[in-house]
Amino acid sequence: AQRVTQPEKLLSVFKGAPVELKCNYSYSGSPELFWYVQYSRQRLQLLLRHISRESIKGFTADLNKGETSFHLKKPFAQEEDSAMYYCALSGLSGNTPLVFGKGTRLSVIA
Amino acid sequence: GAVVSQHPSWVICKSGTSVKIECRSLDFQATTMFWYRQFPKQSLMLMATSNEGSKATYEQGVEKDKFLINHASLTLSTLTVTSAHPEDSSFYICSARVPSTSGTLVYEQYFGPGTRLTVT
Repeated sequence: AQRVTQPEKLLSVFKGAPVELKCNYSYSGSPELFWYVQYSRQRLQLLLRHISRESIKGFTADLNKGETSFHLKKPFAQEEDSAMYYCALSGLSGNTPLVFGKGTRLSVIA
Repeated sequence: GAVVSQHPSWVICKSGTSVKIECRSLDFQATTMFWYRQFPKQSLMLMATSNEGSKATYEQGVEKDKFLINHASLTLSTLTVTSAHPEDSSFYICSARVPSTSGTLVYEQYFGPGTRLTVT
């Protein structure tokens, strides 16, 4: 079965502190993993996907197939990072519907 | 990036009536669109996959006679909630799937802003 697990509903960190949003998945096959972000009163938008291996807004995520994890990390949190973050997976190439985790609300405290 | 719009952004209707929600791709053509439902403080749940010119594929547990999906053109998909009841009150979000511009054989999904439906 396809499943995405985000164990933390809420994560509060101080500005400048490191951030790690956890994501674990189960999927039979080779999935593609994504992180989506939703800022207050805005639509869901793609933050990054594992095949791109990019760093967006200082965030990175490495796919660990052994641990079936795709944790999102940023070394120094900023106030503008406060948002709802969703981990999601799809079939390889992103051609199947996304399966979302329940989301983690990140709150960066000044 | 590609822009997806939804109309209306919010709607209030009486129990028993039907409501139509539109999802449009504004600057691109989308052969595939997805409809999601989001309850308060919960994640997005896929309802159905909408393919242009063919019948939608519904996820298990989603009543296709209640949630009618029509994808009549490459830029428009509609979701009609028929005989709405208070338990249908939710946030409905559509997304459109497009090939990546990177040149590789991958896809990206762009999301609409969502439609909040309240059934009284």
